[in-house]
Amino acid sequence: KQEVTQIPAALSVPEGENLVLNCSFTDSAIYNLQWFRQDPGKGLTSLLLIQSSQREQTSGRLNASLDKSSGRSTLYIAASQPGDSATYLCAVRPRAGGSYIPTFGRGTSLIVHP
Amino acid sequence: DADVTQTPRNRITKTGKRIMLECSQTKGHDRMYWYRQDPGLGLRLIYYSFDVKDINKGEISDGYSVSRQAQAKFSLSLESAIPNQTALYFCATSDLSGGINNEQFFGPGTRLTVL
Repeated sequence: KQEVTQIPAALSVPEGENLVLNCSFTDSAIYNLQWFRQDPGKGLTSLLLIQSSQREQTSGRLNASLDKSSGRSTLYIAASQPGDSATYLCAVRPRAGGSYIPTFGRGTSLIVHP
Repeated sequence: DADVTQTPRNRITKTGKRIMLECSQTKGHDRMYWYRQDPGLGLRLIYYSFDVKDINKGEISDGYSVSRQAQAKFSLSLESAIPNQTALYFCATSDLSGGINNEQFFGPGTRLTVL
């Protein structure tokens, strides 16, 4: 059974810092990995999707990397801003079985203070 | 307009009541999902549907039922609500496996409180 771990569970940084959020998974046979952002009490917003054949994806100040062999993905946020404060979740979609049902991590809660 | 909508957005009910949460999508996706989110437990899958005639249980389906009325509509019912079903409920969609991305899109959520 796929297990997805996100470390740290919470992070507080000053504005302007570059930071890295981690997502680890136990089964490397994945179809893709998706990073989401969730504001308190709100729905999940898709940030980046990395297919299993890709190494990274970029969108603005965000860069997500994927290393299947080590079972890791990182989300890099450049020049963090208070508006980046949210919970960031990763979801890993399996290749085997055909159902493609994703497994979610529990998220990293990020606070960027001015 | 939002691609995935949920109604109601907030609901307070009493133990034993029947509750229906509704989800509609305009993305044209075949796959729809219902999740619940609890503090410290993350997202847990309740039910999912690959098309109108396909319904599958997730990891926590007990106490819930679903109906896929059309490609665009997927409703979740609590036949007899209990307090530990108090949670934030999300509907999500994705395209077919083997489709372009299989990227998942979420609705805004329904906050349900069972007293």
